[in-house]
Amino acid sequence: DGGITQSPKYLFRKEGQNVTLSCEQNLNHDAMYWYRQDPGQGLRLIYYSQIVNDFQKGDIAEGYSVSREKKESFPLTVTSAQKNPTAFYLCASSVGRTGYLTGELFFGEGSRLTVL
Amino acid sequence: GIQVEQSPPDLILQEGANSTLRCNFSDSVNNLQWFHQNPWGQLINLFYIPSGTKQNGRLSATTVATERYSLLYISSSQTTDSGVYFCAVVLTGGGNKLTFGTGTQLKVEL
Repeated sequence: DGGITQSPKYLFRKEGQNVTLSCEQNLNHDAMYWYRQDPGQGLRLIYYSQIVNDFQKGDIAEGYSVSREKKESFPLTVTSAQKNPTAFYLCASSVGRTGYLTGELFFGEGSRLTVL
Repeated sequence: GIQVEQSPPDLILQEGANSTLRCNFSDSVNNLQWFHQNPWGQLINLFYIPSGTKQNGRLSATTVATERYSLLYISSSQTTDSGVYFCAVVLTGGGNKLTFGTGTQLKVEL
């Protein structure tokens, strides 16, 4: 079945360590996104990519990095520079560059990162 | 930036009850969507509704863009309706940024 797979679902890390969250999609979508969700808050955009080998910062990109070497994959690295990394991270993809604007936005099941 | 406020923040219903969730936004928008996040974190899009009314089964939504609000109606609620409901908007003339509200946490009990 087509969809978006995020891994791992749960991750613990010590302060000062980098961690990479995986996001893979087999929907043949051009655009992919990373969102952060904190308790009691909406989603905030970290990074997005509308095409392979290109990506743009969202609202809260500091302390994060991404790559888009393949259409299917958009991994997110949470670096030690991120001050408050404990959160729920959601990856999404959309049809074309503007599909997300018309409701064509599909989400993975999320990765919960806890920094000890 | 645009403010997106949802009410109520929390809601508990008995199965079979109806409810109305509200989304208010502070500026003109040309795009509004409703999402449901289940208790395990999965988000799905319910409605793309920049204006007017749409219905999908027990759910319906109405957006009155000129008055800067949208409503999501849930009828005959079921336990599977539990989760968080988000509205998200795009500011008119503000690029293509999708801004999410803070959500309404719904729990439907037997």
